[in-house]
Amino acid sequence: EVQLVESGGGLVQPGGSLRLSCAASGLSVSSNYMNWVRLAPGKGLEWVSIIYDSGSTYYADSVKGRFTISRDNSKNTLYLQMNSLRVEDTAVYHCARDTSAFASWHFDLWGRGTLVTVSS
Amino acid sequence: DIQMTQSPSSLSASVGDRVTITCRASQSISGALNWYQNKPGKAPKLLIYAASNLHSGVPSRFSGSGSGTDFTLTISGLQPEDFATYYCQQSHSRYTFGQGTKLDI
Repeated sequence: EVQLVESGGGLVQPGGSLRLSCAASGLSVSSNYMNWVRLAPGKGLEWVSIIYDSGSTYYADSVKGRFTISRDNSKNTLYLQMNSLRVEDTAVYHCARDTSAFASWHFDLWGRGTLVTVSS
Repeated sequence: DIQMTQSPSSLSASVGDRVTITCRASQSISGALNWYQNKPGKAPKLLIYAASNLHSGVPSRFSGSGSGTDFTLTISGLQPEDFATYYCQQSHSRYTFGQGTKLDI
């Protein structure tokens, strides 16, 4: 079965760090474009970061300089290292695969997410 | 950055109803518009990609239309499992989601 399973969420104080993992099965994280997307309480979905098959990475302005996306090809796992966490980073974090058809990129496979709570 | 504005933000309907959700982009995005369904505790689901293409396995009661800046998602004949929050997403320049439309009874 093709699936993505996130882990690593939890409660962290402002200014702290956390590393999220997204374990993939039935697909290769190294040959796909992979994203992190978050859903904050009472808000809408927000794209956070992408890593291309080439290894290039991009970030939303809200997390640039604080978050780092990476992958371990041997473990077929995607990561999100989150530093200098803020209260406004509280959200459920989903990983998602990017794919293209009809000249449109879209996220066709998502994980169920892991909850990150930033609070003192 | 491209901003996406969805309306309405919430919608009450009944089983069997036909509902329409609209999404407007702050600039032309051609047909690079996708629709997702999200339920609490579940993985979001892709419904429609490239404005009007039904994703594999999605019931045909879901349909999408539009191009440029104005797009719509229509659900014809609401089923109990359709009560959820719906998001549009532009993929013309990076990714931006609309603020969501909560569909409830």
